[in-house]
Amino acid sequence: GDQVEQSPSALSLHEGTDSALRCNFTTTMRSVQWFRQNSRGSLISLFYLASGTKENGRLKSAFDSKERRYSTLHIRDAQLEDSGTYFCAAEDQGGSAKLIFGEGTKLTVSS
Amino acid sequence: EAAVTQSPRNKVAVTGGKVTLSCNQTNNHNNMYWYRQDTGHGLRLIHYSYGAGSTEKGDIPDGYKASRPSQENFSLILELATPSQTSVYFCASGEGQSGNTLYFGEGSRLIVV
Repeated sequence: GDQVEQSPSALSLHEGTDSALRCNFTTTMRSVQWFRQNSRGSLISLFYLASGTKENGRLKSAFDSKERRYSTLHIRDAQLEDSGTYFCAAEDQGGSAKLIFGEGTKLTVSS
Repeated sequence: EAAVTQSPRNKVAVTGGKVTLSCNQTNNHNNMYWYRQDTGHGLRLIHYSYGAGSTEKGDIPDGYKASRPSQENFSLILELATPSQTSVYFCASGEGQSGNTLYFGEGSRLIVV
């Protein structure tokens, strides 16, 4: 079936640094969402993209509008509170509204 | 703010017993979903629904039933619980239109002994 592959699986950053997370899709996708799961297990929606880019504070996400086969999440000036596990989830072109999740990137930000 | 409420938040069940996980959303969203998350992994879709009376099989439906009696409520039913169903279960709702952002509940931790 359709797959969502996230990389890296784990990432350690020092405060103030920048990095990027990536999701690759085995087929073209209709949309992508990014979530952060905190230490208590709560899942918070960060972005929904059907195309292009969106930015919110130090986070910026992009969805490849041409091939629709990957998405990225950029973190600028990483802070301790950015620590958590980041998931992307994609909806296929069939319009079923099913979201397929990647395995996540565990981000640890240290001082 | 989207509100999705799950109950119970924690449950210990015996093998072979029946378990019902309930989910309520107050946002009038059309779509609702049940996922399970196992330690160190992403979320896997069990069942979902497009509206009252609708249930659809997700990627791992075996051993689970779902019920959507109303727009607000979506239940996940384990008729004969097994230890392999020990997991954390998440319910989510979404508008169902373009821009189908999902809003998740806080999760229900189920242990089957």
